[in-house]
Amino acid sequence: DQQVKQNSPSLSVQEGRISILNCDYTNSMFDYFLWYKKYPAEGPTFLISISSIKDKNEDGRFTVFLNKSAKHLSLHIVPSQPGDSAVYFCAASYSGGGADGLTFGKGTHLIIQP
Amino acid sequence: DVKVTQSSRYLVKRTGEKVFLECVQDMDHENMFWYRQDPGLGLRLIYFSYDVKMKEKGDIPEGYSVSREKKERFSLILESASTNQTSMYLCASRRAGLGGFFGPGTRLTVL
Repeated sequence: DQQVKQNSPSLSVQEGRISILNCDYTNSMFDYFLWYKKYPAEGPTFLISISSIKDKNEDGRFTVFLNKSAKHLSLHIVPSQPGDSAVYFCAASYSGGGADGLTFGKGTHLIIQP
Repeated sequence: DVKVTQSSRYLVKRTGEKVFLECVQDMDHENMFWYRQDPGLGLRLIYFSYDVKMKEKGDIPEGYSVSREKKERFSLILESASTNQTSMYLCASRRAGLGGFFGPGTRLTVL
């Protein structure tokens, strides 16, 4: 049973436009959400996160929106740049004790076209 | 500059061999993780540790074990490697409530 879902395996966006990556989750215990970016042959790098007490968090060109009632979050990249081409993973965790390991989605491959 | 390092970038082993993957972090994080990444499956958690000598199973622990004798080091052990363990292995560390840091990954091929 997949608790974090990224339903779009790939997304193609023109340079300069907005990229919107979506993520849905099923576990209502999740209270912290993260986005990671991964280039081939490298480890994922942390991009941005949001706590469940917020509905928006912004960092430069990256904004994450959280809709708790819909169990949905999205990552907006504006404007999209060629270096943004990568696989983006959505991840979630809950502070229920232990190491609050992250549960990842399967990733969305974002392709920025010139 | 914070770092998570992994002992090898590429590794080729034979079926039945014992394999050690080492991970070291220099951020004094309590929590460390081992994931594997496979095409179409995303990142799946194998094991994690929230303290020295403490370990917990993740989603796919079968065929793996771990060791955490020191805070900065978390080892993944394949007791008897099999071809279905061919994968990219990623180590991560994080402090609870913050974004985690990943190592560069080890691409393991089991022949």
